[in-house]
Amino acid sequence: QMQLVESGGGVVQPGGSLRLSCAASGFNFGIFAMHWVRQAPGKGLEWVAVISYDGDNKYYADSVKGRFTISRVNSINTLYLQMDSLRPEDTAVYYCARPVESFDWLLPFDSWGQGTLVTVSS
Amino acid sequence: EIVLTQSPGTLSLSPGERVTLSCRASQSVISSNLAWYQQKPGQAPRLLIYGASNRATAIPDRFSGSVSGTDFTLTISRLEPEDFAVYYCQQYDNSPPRYTFGQGTKLEIK
Repeated sequence: QMQLVESGGGVVQPGGSLRLSCAASGFNFGIFAMHWVRQAPGKGLEWVAVISYDGDNKYYADSVKGRFTISRVNSINTLYLQMDSLRPEDTAVYYCARPVESFDWLLPFDSWGQGTLVTVSS
Repeated sequence: EIVLTQSPGTLSLSPGERVTLSCRASQSVISSNLAWYQQKPGQAPRLLIYGASNRATAIPDRFSGSVSGTDFTLTISRLEPEDFAVYYCQQYDNSPPRYTFGQGTKLEIK
């Protein structure tokens, strides 16, 4: 049974950093692109970043470009999101998500983790 | 940048009723790049429809999607108690990759 489990959320001060992890199991992680999507409290969904299956291609939402870095280590089935220069508006539940099919990233997301809450506050 | 506008913001209906949710794109969207998700409180979103009209795995056939120009529609033919949730549309395009969500429609029990 496939599973995505996020970790690493917490409370951080504005300007601080945090690294989120997403541990994947139950499927061939190394052939799927992976995404991060966030949801501010009581708000809608916002796509954050995508990384290709081999890690060679990475794309970001304008709101996080230059501050967040997506990465992956396929040998340990783990996706990461390094978040620097955090702002209060980055406060959200962060989900990792997998596309419906392997290799391509221009696809909807059919598998999601349970999310990890990041709170940016002084 | 494509903007997706969902309407209405909130719908109050009863189990057994038929409902149509709307998602309008600000410009032309490739219909194969449009999806619908359902999200219940405290849960991650669940993919319902992709390619505008294809049901995802294990989604009941009371859920259907359609498109007319830049207007996308999610229809639930007969509401079940478990269908009361928030629904989001999403479009995705390339050059560079972008994944845009609508603001959501909340379906609540009347």
